[in-house]
Amino acid sequence: AQSVTQLGSHVSVSEGALVLLRCNYSSSVPPYLFWYVQYPNQGLQLLLKYTTGATLVKGINGFEAEFKKSETSFHLTKPSAHMSDAAEYFCAVYSRRYSTLTFGKGTMLLVSP
Amino acid sequence: GAGVSQSPSNKVTEKGKDVELRCDPISGHTALYWYRQSLGQGLEFLIYFQGNSAPDKSGLPSDRFSAERTGGSVSTLTIQRTQQEDSAVYLCASSLGLAGNTGELFFGEGSRLTVL
Repeated sequence: AQSVTQLGSHVSVSEGALVLLRCNYSSSVPPYLFWYVQYPNQGLQLLLKYTTGATLVKGINGFEAEFKKSETSFHLTKPSAHMSDAAEYFCAVYSRRYSTLTFGKGTMLLVSP
Repeated sequence: GAGVSQSPSNKVTEKGKDVELRCDPISGHTALYWYRQSLGQGLEFLIYFQGNSAPDKSGLPSDRFSAERTGGSVSTLTIQRTQQEDSAVYLCASSLGLAGNTGELFFGEGSRLTVL
């Protein structure tokens, strides 16, 4: 069975600082991995995904994530935070067997001026 | 429509009443998913449909919860005899058919249920 662990329910950064949101997964098969973002009172929006191929994937709004099989990690980064990045971020792994996404509990990103 | 549409956006009900939540997926998306989002609990998978069929109902929290999908389109999630612990945001998502599906889901804005 697949599972996802996101370290830190809240992460605070200053505007312009590096953003690092951590995600570790557990999967018995090669994983498909995702990061979704949820802005207040909105649904989830795909930020980026890894399926096969290049392990460094780039997404929208300057975010990227690197799949590291040896560390079972898929951490999300952005070089310079903007105020508009304040939102909740969810890491997820896709189960091809059960055709579902299993989500982590989310990390709220707070950006201060 | 252009995106996944859910209704109502907000529902306040009294304990013991039944509620129905509706989801209208993106046209052409054959897979439809229901998740529940509670404060501090992340997203909890409830059920998914491939066409009108729900192969796995084990995610439904109790027998008070049921879901159906007709015509391969609109889905309804029904909660009978609501309890206060049912208060949450219920999210619907859809995706292209399972063949070649890489798991990308398109989410609606959710239905916020408050049980008094």
